[in-house]
Amino acid sequence: GAGVSQSPRYKVAKRGQDVALRCDPISGHVSLFWYQQALGQGPEFLTYFQNEAQLDKSGLPSDRFFAERPEGSVSTLKIQRTQQEDSAVYLCASSFAGTVKPQHFGDGTRLSIL
Amino acid sequence: GNSVTQMEGPVTLSEEAFLTINCTYTATGYPSLFWYVQYPGEGLQLLLKATKADDKGSNKGFEATYRKETTSFHLEKGSVQVSDSAVYFCALSEGDTGNQFYFGTGTSLTVIP
Repeated sequence: GAGVSQSPRYKVAKRGQDVALRCDPISGHVSLFWYQQALGQGPEFLTYFQNEAQLDKSGLPSDRFFAERPEGSVSTLKIQRTQQEDSAVYLCASSFAGTVKPQHFGDGTRLSIL
Repeated sequence: GNSVTQMEGPVTLSEEAFLTINCTYTATGYPSLFWYVQYPGEGLQLLLKATKADDKGSNKGFEATYRKETTSFHLEKGSVQVSDSAVYFCALSEGDTGNQFYFGTGTSLTVIP
């Protein structure tokens, strides 16, 4: 597609449920990033893939958060046993290899945990 | 460590007013600097960037100059329009070795006719 596509746009889950968020990067983009954006805040880094390799997961807030990109294209961010503090917008971004090149962001998935 | 500090909003201006949104940074290396804009209900869009000291990024009438001596990257526009109403984020990336962006908290701008 023309841009980074994320689904679903909105997700409501009950506390304790597992959720899966999908990201379809721009075709040909090697690098893929996940960010968490709390209300009124800037995005905060969660994890980074280069192709299928997860090179940095230092931003994942707990072991309940898991991300994968098995074929080096689509990525899934999974949150297990969701908590209310997980409520946020989850942004995916992709770029060509390297980081000086700007990242292209999707519209995000707004996750609300009840 | 790396961090970005933006002036707090919200900022409200009349159409055709001059805009400045301050951004300062702290970096361990030699970063690249970016401004992103987020329109209501949309994702972040790159507005402009600068990769080395004294570079000026510009786009859609917006400008920002990479000032190493003051560790700043202030966003300016000479005459704002209603359509510029959005949230603006300053961000840095650690040049060639980093693999993540560090964002400021964002500054909300509302332009009134």
